[in-house]
This record gives sequence, structure tokens and C-alpha cells, in this order.
Amino acid sequence: GQNIDQPTEMTATEGAIVQINCTYQTSGFNGLFWYQQHAGEAPTFLSYNVLDGLEEKGRFSSFLSRSKGYSYLLLKELQMKDSASYLCAVRAASGTYKYIFGTGTRLKVLA
Amino acid sequence: ETGVTQTPRHLVMGMTNKKSLKCEQHLGHNAMYWYKQSAKKPLELMFVYSLEERVENNSVPSRFSPECPNSSHLFLHLHTLQPEDSALYLCASSQRQGRTEAFFGQGTRLTVV
Repeated sequence: GQNIDQPTEMTATEGAIVQINCTYQTSGFNGLFWYQQHAGEAPTFLSYNVLDGLEEKGRFSSFLSRSKGYSYLLLKELQMKDSASYLCAVRAASGTYKYIFGTGTRLKVLA
Repeated sequence: ETGVTQTPRHLVMGMTNKKSLKCEQHLGHNAMYWYKQSAKKPLELMFVYSLEERVENNSVPSRFSPECPNSSHLFLHLHTLQPEDSALYLCASSQRQGRTEAFFGQGTRLTVV
């Protein structure tokens, strides 16, 4: 079957660093995506990994290990506005359009 | 502004009504999607259109009927829905080739009474 696992909720303090993990089991792999979704709003794209390693984009970084079926999203210098759900998604295989999503991790940033 | 616009933002309908959700993308993409988002569940892919041809249909009940008249517009026609169909319905678009992240609309919050 196809499965993506993420923690349901995390809490962190303003200014801190938080790591949100994602493990996946899919038939085929053609990229892993992280999205941010504030309550009542559209998911917005954060990062994309297709090769092993770390991709850095400002305060956000994403890591991928294809052999382990594992990714994480690292958020630095947390701000209150980072309180949102973070969705991990895998595009199962090239030539298809299946973006398989996890349930999302709800992050609460406390002052 | 995400480049993908959905209307209406909120919809309340009775189980015997017929309504339609509309999605429009201004990004020049050639694939469009309908997703259902329910509380505490992953985003569920319902339908995918590529170049106006339906390429994915994930065992969705026939009371949901998609329509893609051109590469910029996507509709979801609803009839005789059930209360369990109440959810956030998200439209997305992407390119078929190359960098393939999907861009989402704001969603339609549907309540079936």
C-alpha cells in the first residue's frame, strides 16, 4: 500500500528550531513536497526534494533520504506566523499525477 | 493570490440539491486536480485532468461529476450528496513536465444538511 506518516501535533517556542519528520512508503518515487497550510486557507508550496540531501530556502530547509523513505522539514528562528499545518506529499511515479499526502502536522508556536 | 481561484468559498446545500464548484487557474498549467480535505484525514485525490482529459478517477461516488472544458477551468458538479460529503474541496493545478509542485486554490467549504 501507499502510506505517509507524520506526527499529528508539535509545539515549539518563538525563536526556536523545530524539525518535522515524514516517512513514506510508496510504489515509485518522483519527488517529495512540503506544503504549509494555515487554517481556512490553501496549502502553499514550501520545498521540493527529488535527490538525497538538504535543500535550504531561507528559514526553511528540507532533507530527503530515499533509501530510508524519510524526509524532514526544519524551521529555524520560529515566528508566531509559522503556526500552521505542514503537509508532506510524495509524487508516486513519473508520468502519473498522484500526489499522496500525509495527514499533516499541526505546529503551534508559543510566545 | 495563489493563481488558482475557487468559487464559491462556502456552500451549504441540502441532500436533494444540485450545485457546482468552479476552479480557474491563471498559471498556464496543463493538469488540474480536485482534492477532498476532511478533518484529521489526508488530502484525498478525487480527479485529475491532463490536457482536458480525465487521467485519474479514484473511486469517487457518481454523485460527484467533474468537468474540464479547457485547460484553465475545472468544475465539480454535485447532486444528491450525503452529510459525510461535508468537507473542504480543494482545486489544484500543475505542469505535466519538469518541476511539478501543485498550486492550490483557497478551497470551497461544503456543508451538506
